[in-house]
This record gives sequence, structure tokens and C-alpha cells, in this order.
Amino acid sequence: AQSVTQLGSHVSVSEGALVLLRCNYSSSVPPYLFWYVQYPNQGLQLLLKYTSAATLVKGINGFEAEFKKSETSFHLTKPSAHMSDAAEYFCAVSPYNQGGKLIFGQGTELSVKP
Amino acid sequence: GAVVSQHPSWVICKSGTSVKIECRSLDFQATTMFWYRQFPKQSLMLMATSNEGSKATYEQGVEKDKFLINHASLTLSTLTVTSAHPEDSSFYICSARDRSSEFSYEQYFGPGTRLTVT
Repeated sequence: AQSVTQLGSHVSVSEGALVLLRCNYSSSVPPYLFWYVQYPNQGLQLLLKYTSAATLVKGINGFEAEFKKSETSFHLTKPSAHMSDAAEYFCAVSPYNQGGKLIFGQGTELSVKP
Repeated sequence: GAVVSQHPSWVICKSGTSVKIECRSLDFQATTMFWYRQFPKQSLMLMATSNEGSKATYEQGVEKDKFLINHASLTLSTLTVTSAHPEDSSFYICSARDRSSEFSYEQYFGPGTRLTVT
């Protein structure tokens, strides 16, 4: 079965520092990969997605992620954290040929210190 | 564009009663909708996949007789929690795939419904 692993349930950075949220997937066939952000008591907002085009994907709010097949990774980065980036981040995979369902990682809570 | 709404946003009900949650795609048609459950500080767990005009496909371990899903139109899916119990208290989130962009595999999420069963 396909799975997604997010390393670190909680990441804390200082405002202006680099944000790095890690995501690894298990799949023999490269799936579609997504990063979503969730603010408290809200639904999910898509940050970016990888759909087998460019391996470096740019998303909203200055985030980007790089698909590395050799490492089965899809880490999320942002060069300079902002206070408004504090939220829960979920990596998700859409396995090939499974009707578009999403399998989510455990989530990483990002805190940004002033 | 691509807005999904849920109603109600929160609901409190007594144990043993049933609760219906609506999920609507406001500006697009959705042949497929998904229902997720999220416990506090946890990830989203897919409960079922709902396709317009057909029976929902439930994930393993999800009681189909307890969580009734109806996808009657291309813009509306409903989740009914029957004979609710306190352990059903959770945050329920729906998502929808745009019919016109099926191959993008992107899902648009609703704002969620907080269910509390007393």
C-alpha cells in the first residue's frame, strides 16, 4: 500500500529563516504529489502539486517543492518564513490508477517565532 | 473559482440522533467527491469516495450503514451520520474534483464541519 511519511510532527523556525518540511512517499510508480496547508478549524488549501512535469514545483505564498525520484521525496521549502506561515502542512499522494483518492501524511505543524 | 462549501460549519447533537452534512461545489461540477474525517491534531483519514449517481465506495473499516453518503447531483454530496455517538465527534471535511479537469487529480476542499455528539 502506498504511504506518505512526514518527518517531524512539529517544526519551529524564526521569522525570515528557511522553512524545510520533509515528505517521503512509498510507491513503485511515481504518483501525483501535493502539499496542502490547513489553518485552525479550516479546510485545506493547495500549496502546490507535482504531476510528472517539472521536478521543481513552485506554489503559492513563496513555497516550492522538488520531486526527487531517487530519494522518493517531495520536500517543501520556503526561503524566508513569515509569521503568517504558521499552520499545519500536509503532504499527500494520489496513487496511480486509484480514482484520484488522496493519502495524507501525518502532518507537520509549523511554528514561526518572531 | 473552485469553491466548495459545507453546511453546517458546526453542529451539536444528542447521542442516538442522526446528522446530515452537505457538501456543495459552488462554481464547478464534481463527478467525484471525497469525505474525510480528522481528529484533533491528526491527519485526514479518507472515509469514502462518492461518485455522482452511483453508490459510494467506502474505505476499509468505515461502517457504510453508519455513514450514509448520497451524491445526488454534480454539485451536491451529503454525509449522514446515523445514530451518532460521542466517538463520532470529529471534524468532517469534504473535497471535490472538478469534472473539467479530471486528469489533474486536484481536489478542492470544503471548510469542514465540526460535529460534537453529547
